[in-house]
Amino acid sequence: KQEVTQIPAALSVPEGENLVLNCSFTDSAIYNLQWFRQDPGKGLTSLLLIQSSQREQTSGRLNASLDKSSGRSTLYIAASQPGDSATYLCAVYHNTDKLIFGTGTRLQVFP
Amino acid sequence: DGGITQSPKYLFRKEGQNVTLSCEQNLNHDAMYWYRQDPGQGLRLIYYSQIVNDFQKGDIAEGYSVSREKKESFPLTVTSAQKNPTAFYLCASSRTGTGANVLTFGAGSRLTVL
Repeated sequence: KQEVTQIPAALSVPEGENLVLNCSFTDSAIYNLQWFRQDPGKGLTSLLLIQSSQREQTSGRLNASLDKSSGRSTLYIAASQPGDSATYLCAVYHNTDKLIFGTGTRLQVFP
Repeated sequence: DGGITQSPKYLFRKEGQNVTLSCEQNLNHDAMYWYRQDPGQGLRLIYYSQIVNDFQKGDIAEGYSVSREKKESFPLTVTSAQKNPTAFYLCASSRTGTGANVLTFGAGSRLTVL
């Protein structure tokens, strides 16, 4: 059974820091991995999608990497801003037709 | 603007009542999904539909029912058989259900059982 874990569960950093969020999964047979952002009481916004054949994807200050063999993905946020404060979720598309989500990392960036 | 509309945003229900959550999309997506989110837990899949007039159970389908009579609509009914229905419900869609496509989410519906 595929399980997705995110560490840390919560993170608080000062503005301007570069930071890394971690995501691990137990079964490397995935089609893709997606990172989402969720603001309190809101739906999810897709940030990045990495296909299983890719090693990384970049969008602005965000960079996501994927290492299938070790079952790990990282989301790198450069020069963090207070507006980055949210919960970040990763999800893997396993050998079925549905996404399996991690429990998320709650990020707070203070001025 | 294309997107997913969920309604109502907040809903209160008495025990023993059925309630229906609406989900409408104008993205022309084939696949639609319902997830449940509880504090401290990841999203869990309730039901999904890859095409009109067809749907499959997810991991926690007991106590829920869905229909997919139109491509743009995928309503979720929370029945009285659902033992712990208080949660945040999220609807999503994707262009196809093959796994290669990004999911687009609605803003969610928060259900509270009194």
